[in-house]
Amino acid sequence: GQNIDQPTEMTATEGAIVQINCTYQTSGFNGLFWYQQHAGEAPTFLSYNVLDGLEEKGRFSSFLSRSKGYSYLLLKELQMKDSASYLCAVRDLNTGFQKLVFGTGTRLLVSP
Amino acid sequence: GAGVSQTPSNKVTEKGKYVELRCDPISGHTALYWYRQSLGQGPEFLIYFQGTGAADDSGLPNDRFFAVRPEGSVSTLKIQRTERGDSAVYLCASSLTGGTSGSYNEQFFGPGTRLTVL
Repeated sequence: GQNIDQPTEMTATEGAIVQINCTYQTSGFNGLFWYQQHAGEAPTFLSYNVLDGLEEKGRFSSFLSRSKGYSYLLLKELQMKDSASYLCAVRDLNTGFQKLVFGTGTRLLVSP
Repeated sequence: GAGVSQTPSNKVTEKGKYVELRCDPISGHTALYWYRQSLGQGPEFLIYFQGTGAADDSGLPNDRFFAVRPEGSVSTLKIQRTERGDSAVYLCASSLTGGTSGSYNEQFFGPGTRLTVL
């Protein structure tokens, strides 16, 4: 099965940069997703990586290294509204590539 | 357009009762997923529908859980003889297709139904 690890909680200051790491173990890796989830709300899609490298989208970037089983989400110019949980999820060809397997999420608190 | 909707938003029931949770996917999305999220955890996969058929139900915890999607649109998750351990937020998601290996196939999530079993 899969094993996905993320830090439980992180804190940062408004305007700063924060990097949220995710490590995973899968036998048939087929893509990694990052979702943002505000308390009591639905997860919303942030990024998708299937090849090694960096994907940039505005203030958010996501990096993937398949050989290391490692990804990170980089948030720049942090805003108060970025306080949320950030979920790393992978797809695995060997266990049904349609479903997403999520980590426990990283709760980010942005302070003034 | 409208996103994924789920009803009810909250459901409180007593141990041993039967509950039904409803999901309305985004119009035109053929793939539908149910996940369960406990406090402080990430969503946990339950079942995936492609059209009317359950293509993967490997995440259903036991035979008290059942889901249907009779017309390939709305889906109902049914839980019999509820237990306190079933308390969680039940999330529904849909995607345009079931996707293929390597494809993007973003899943759009609904707001969830918070189920509390007393």
